[in-house]
Amino acid sequence: DGGITQSPKYLFRKEGQNVTLSCEQNLNHDAMYWYRQDPGQGLRLIYYSQIVNDFQKGDIAEGYSVSREKKESFPLTVTSAQKNPTAFYLCASSMGQGAGETQYFGPGTRLLVL
Amino acid sequence: QKEVEQDPGPLSVPEGAIVSLNCTYSNSAFQYFMWYRQYSRKGPELLMYTYSSGNKEDGRFTAQVDKSSKYISLFIRDSQPSDSATYLCAMSATGSYIPTFGRGTSLIVHP
Repeated sequence: DGGITQSPKYLFRKEGQNVTLSCEQNLNHDAMYWYRQDPGQGLRLIYYSQIVNDFQKGDIAEGYSVSREKKESFPLTVTSAQKNPTAFYLCASSMGQGAGETQYFGPGTRLLVL
Repeated sequence: QKEVEQDPGPLSVPEGAIVSLNCTYSNSAFQYFMWYRQYSRKGPELLMYTYSSGNKEDGRFTAQVDKSSKYISLFIRDSQPSDSATYLCAMSATGSYIPTFGRGTSLIVHP
């Protein structure tokens, strides 16, 4: 089955700790995205990548970092500089070929602070 | 003013009702319009996709775009309890493949 997987489903972070969220896709998509979702709010773009070894900041990149070493993988690190990390994190992908593309989402990771 | 406005609800309706969900937007460059359904603690899934103005129907769902009024709607006929979810509208402009999302409307269909 083609799709996007995210792990873990739940993640707990201690103060001062960096944590990494995994996102893998087998849809052969070029573009991948990370969103943050807070209760009652829409999706806010953290980072996106149109191609391997290249990525751009979204609207709320501060306190986050990403890498794109493989087409299938786009991990997100929540650093200790992110002071309010508790949220639902969604990874998405799209073909990366033009405007109006459909994004396909993973099941999400819920990050909680201990 | 946000680029995309969507009433968060919740919208509570009885089973079998016709549901109308709406978004307004301010950016006249938006050409691609999408509706996603998100169940609690799950990722969004694409429901409807429309380019430019007009209507599109898929089973019990109809998406409508009125670009002159900068207004889009999603209608659900014969609503079912399984339709209870948050519905997110999203839209993007020509030349951009990153959509702008609404906040989502929470829908509750009670038996």
